[in-house]
Amino acid sequence: SQQGEEDPQALSIQEGENATMNCSYKTSINNLQWYRQNSGRGLVHLILIRSNEREKHSGRLRVTLDTSKKSSSLLITASRAADTASYFCATEETSGSRLTFGEGTQLTVNP
Amino acid sequence: ETGVTQTPRHLVMGMTNKKSLKCEQHLGHNAMYWYKQSAKKPLELMFVYNFKEQTENNSVPSRFSPECPNSSHLFLHLHTLQPEDSALYLCASSQVRVTDYGYTFGSGTRLTVV
Repeated sequence: SQQGEEDPQALSIQEGENATMNCSYKTSINNLQWYRQNSGRGLVHLILIRSNEREKHSGRLRVTLDTSKKSSSLLITASRAADTASYFCATEETSGSRLTFGEGTQLTVNP
Repeated sequence: ETGVTQTPRHLVMGMTNKKSLKCEQHLGHNAMYWYKQSAKKPLELMFVYNFKEQTENNSVPSRFSPECPNSSHLFLHLHTLQPEDSALYLCASSQVRVTDYGYTFGSGTRLTVV
């Protein structure tokens, strides 16, 4: 069953702007992860935030986690055309080690 | 290259064929996974192996048969598939206890069943 749901499904911005994607989930989690996928390729791990963390940074990425609202956001600052890809959130539930993915947000950064 | 290698990259097979997908990692990970990615659907977990033992079969039809001979190799044997099985099949690996590096995915095998 689907755990994470991303919002929006698609996002189009200009280079240099910030991009924000949101993820909601349903059950208790150990951690939440964000992945990126270029068209037809494998997924690349971006960042992991644990359930006891509220915010995490990695380069131009900022992730927040609100376990009371069961939601997370991914912010990409100063976007570049090369950031164009699909972005997925994935949750590791406390009930097991499986990683469950959402449907993803398609981000297009226009030069 | 991510460290997880999948072969072949593309595969076209008839419904009566038997084929196998291969996944290999030399990252020292002890968990390996098969995921199916169909158009406009979330990634679907198919199988999980921890330390070569299958720990999860997510109600996958028996026409898909996984094999994990050791912690570095994972196979997906395919037999009498249906056209709706056409999808991108992704292999991933990780430590059993997840680290900040999450899962490492291969580039996938694009499967077309005709």
